[in-house]
Amino acid sequence: EIVLTQSPATLSLSPGERATLSCRASHSIGIYLAWYQQKPGQAPRLVIFEASNRATGIPTRFSGTGSGTDFTLTISSLEPEDFAVYYCQQRTSPITFGQGTRLEI
Amino acid sequence: EVQLVDSGGGLVQPGRSLRLSCITSGFIFDDYAMHWVRQVPGKGLEWVSGISWNSGSIGYADSVKGRFTISRDNAKNALYLQMNSLRTEDMAMYYCVKDRDKVIWGDGFDFWGQGTMVAVSS
Repeated sequence: EIVLTQSPATLSLSPGERATLSCRASHSIGIYLAWYQQKPGQAPRLVIFEASNRATGIPTRFSGTGSGTDFTLTISSLEPEDFAVYYCQQRTSPITFGQGTRLEI
Repeated sequence: EVQLVDSGGGLVQPGRSLRLSCITSGFIFDDYAMHWVRQVPGKGLEWVSGISWNSGSIGYADSVKGRFTISRDNAKNALYLQMNSLRTEDMAMYYCVKDRDKVIWGDGFDFWGQGTMVAVSS
């Protein structure tokens, strides 16, 4: 099983600042990493797929980079609605998720 | 508009069974693999099971293998999860999710149901 380790567990920033979230895989997964945003009481929302592709409707301030074992989600200038929990996910069976990064104001 | 409507959750005693359903609309159901993902309230996400478009490929998390069975009815645009021998550790919100890509399994889940809560307690 591929373990995904996200860091930091919690990231405290202010609107307008840049957020950098990390996801590290225990084995190489190529580019097959997705990122999700989850707000309280809501289902997760796909943000990035295949490491760097924005999902439909996702603002351009969100970007993803990485391949192999190290991946990064960057939010260039935080908006109030971006504060949420972010999860990474890989597709090699069994599918696994990271433990999440809480992005808080 | 793509919609996934989860149902079937509830309170059940340990060792009993429950069947979850997910009725979909707004996309060609039999073009895509589908999955179940669960989340204990306040905790992270856990993939439970997935099924390919034609039911030819099925996968389970080790934590549910042998107890849960995923199935689909393409004529009804429906996904199911039969959960047997339920344990307290199965208590979670269960989400029906759609694969983003028609070919690559698990390459991002682009639509999620609203979730159905399963509580396991005596």
